[in-house]
Amino acid sequence: GENVEQHPSTLSVQEGDSAVIKCTYSDSASNYFPWYKQELGKGPQLIIDIRSNVGEKKDQRIAVTLNKTAKHFSLHITETQPEDSAVYFCAASRGNYQLIWGAGTKLIIKP
Amino acid sequence: GAGVSQSPSNKVTEKGKDVELRCDPISGHTALYWYRQSLGQGLEFLIYFQGNSAPDKSGLPSDRFSAERTGGSVSTLTIQRTQQEDSAVYLCASSLVGGSQAREQYFGPGTRLTVT
Repeated sequence: GENVEQHPSTLSVQEGDSAVIKCTYSDSASNYFPWYKQELGKGPQLIIDIRSNVGEKKDQRIAVTLNKTAKHFSLHITETQPEDSAVYFCAASRGNYQLIWGAGTKLIIKP
Repeated sequence: GAGVSQSPSNKVTEKGKDVELRCDPISGHTALYWYRQSLGQGLEFLIYFQGNSAPDKSGLPSDRFSAERTGGSVSTLTIQRTQQEDSAVYLCASSLVGGSQAREQYFGPGTRLTVT
């Protein structure tokens, strides 16, 4: 069946450095790719998303890139700050209503 | 406006008892989802509602799990004869669904279920 692989499972970066999380998907029909941030004790919250007709999208320090040919997409966080520490999930759409989720990346920002 | 709310926030129950978890979606959101998240793990899809019907129940792990949605709004997830492996955080999300595009899912804070 369809799946989404996410790497790395844990990422530790120095405050101020950049962080990159990568996902690959298997369903060529997927056309919507959101990224969620989950802080401890809270539900996931959307931070950025991209649709398949766009190759890159940026929102301040956060950007997402999509390579449809290779079926992978990445989250880039620049100038990392302590509040960026959280678990990040990628997802890919299946049909019009369902999302297939990656396993998550725990991002640790070292002071 | 109000987001997705879930109750209770925490539930401790004895093995073998039944539990009901409640989700109040964002007003006007026709789609509602239930997920399960074990400690330190990803999101496991359980069930999806469009209005009051559940076109996709494929993620329910056993017949002890059931869910319903009434009035196109509130949903209840029921777990009968709870087992220790049911211990997890149960997350609810809602979404606008329409046209030919998948859309953002808005999550509630979750219900942490502990089966002793």
